[in-house]
Amino acid sequence: AQSVTQLGSHVSVSEGALVLLRCNYSSSVPPYLFWYVQYPNQGLQLLLKYTSAATLVKGINGFEAEFKKSETSFHLTKPSAHMSDAAEYFCAVSDSASYGKLTFGQGTILTVHP
Amino acid sequence: AAGVIQSPRHLIKEKRETATLKCYPIPRHDTVYWYQQGPGQDPQFLISFYEKMQSDKGSIPDRFSAQQFSDYHSELNMSSLELGDSALYFCASSSLRDRQMNTEAFFGQGTRLTVV
Repeated sequence: AQSVTQLGSHVSVSEGALVLLRCNYSSSVPPYLFWYVQYPNQGLQLLLKYTSAATLVKGINGFEAEFKKSETSFHLTKPSAHMSDAAEYFCAVSDSASYGKLTFGQGTILTVHP
Repeated sequence: AAGVIQSPRHLIKEKRETATLKCYPIPRHDTVYWYQQGPGQDPQFLISFYEKMQSDKGSIPDRFSAQQFSDYHSELNMSSLELGDSALYFCASSSLRDRQMNTEAFFGQGTRLTVV
């Protein structure tokens, strides 16, 4: 069975500060990992995905994540937070057969202060 | 670009009523997934269909059923609704057949179901 754990249900940063959202995974097979963002009352938008190519993955809106097998981690970062980044972020894992059957983490709400 | 379309966006039903949610996938996508997201919860996988056949099943109650039609749209039917069914229901689509396409799942805006 696959699972992901997001450390910290709430993260608060100042505008312009580094954003770091943590995600650790558990998988018996090579995982496919994703980060999704959800704005209030909106659907899930894909930020980036890891599918066993480059371990450093660049996504939209300046976000990136690094796959570290030794640490079973896939943390999401952004060098400089913007007010528009305030949202809930979900880390998710799937097996190779079906990228849409996802197991999500509990989510991290990002608050950005001016 | 066309996205996943879900209807209705909002639905209010009374306990013990039935509800039908519809999902129209991105053109050329052959796979549809349904998720349920309760208040303050992460999305939970319910069921998926590939080429009109059920491909996987998650934590979907027996009171719920779903199908995918010949035009690839999907419907989630929910009967004997309970207060606990109040949630945001997402549909996502992807292409498993065409590996040249991006194969990640694209999500719709969701249907917010409120059971009163």
